[in-house]
Amino acid sequence: GIQVEQSPPDLILQEGANSTLRCNFSDSVNNLQWFHQNPWGQLINLFYIPSGTKQNGRLSATTVATERYSLLYISSSQTTDSGVYFCAVRGIRGSTLGRLYFGRGTQLTVWP
Amino acid sequence: GAGVSQSPSNKVTEKGKDVELRCDPISGHTALYWYRQRLGQGLEFLIYFQGNSAPDKSGLPSDRFSAERTGESVSTLTIQRTQQEDSAVYLCASSFFAQGGYQETQYFGPGTRLLVL
Repeated sequence: GIQVEQSPPDLILQEGANSTLRCNFSDSVNNLQWFHQNPWGQLINLFYIPSGTKQNGRLSATTVATERYSLLYISSSQTTDSGVYFCAVRGIRGSTLGRLYFGRGTQLTVWP
Repeated sequence: GAGVSQSPSNKVTEKGKDVELRCDPISGHTALYWYRQRLGQGLEFLIYFQGNSAPDKSGLPSDRFSAERTGESVSTLTIQRTQQEDSAVYLCASSFFAQGGYQETQYFGPGTRLLVL
């Protein structure tokens, strides 16, 4: 399988601060997604980003597939950004097709 | 259109009973996935369907777990003789699926919270 490591495991911020979350993965991928899991457990799609850079409001993401990592940037954080952020990848080899491999997540807490 | 739906939202059962969890994927999505999330953990893959066949069921933790799918529609995950360690949130996702999979995004349902007493 594919190993997915996320860092940091926990992050505590003051409202308005910026942050960077990192995702490293151990094999070539053709699908990388970032999710936000809200306090009710719902997984919300943030980005589908197997390579390149995307931006959506205060959030942006960059994936460097050749170096096997992705970064999620959160600017001007708000209390509603709190929750767990997951990175998940899908491999290109037969045994890794289909499923997403998830990291253990980054628990983000934003204080007012 | 509507997103992925799952039922029931919550299920409390006694150890040893069988449970059935249901997933309705987004209309038109050919692929359907089941994952499990234990408290405070990441998601672990259980099984995925392409149409009504299951190319990868390697994540099913034991033979007490089984799943089926009718055509490219609803799927049912069945857990027989439930154990306390089966307590978790069971999440379903669906996507389009192209060979090589370059353009599919998995969309998740709200999950079923299973508690085995």
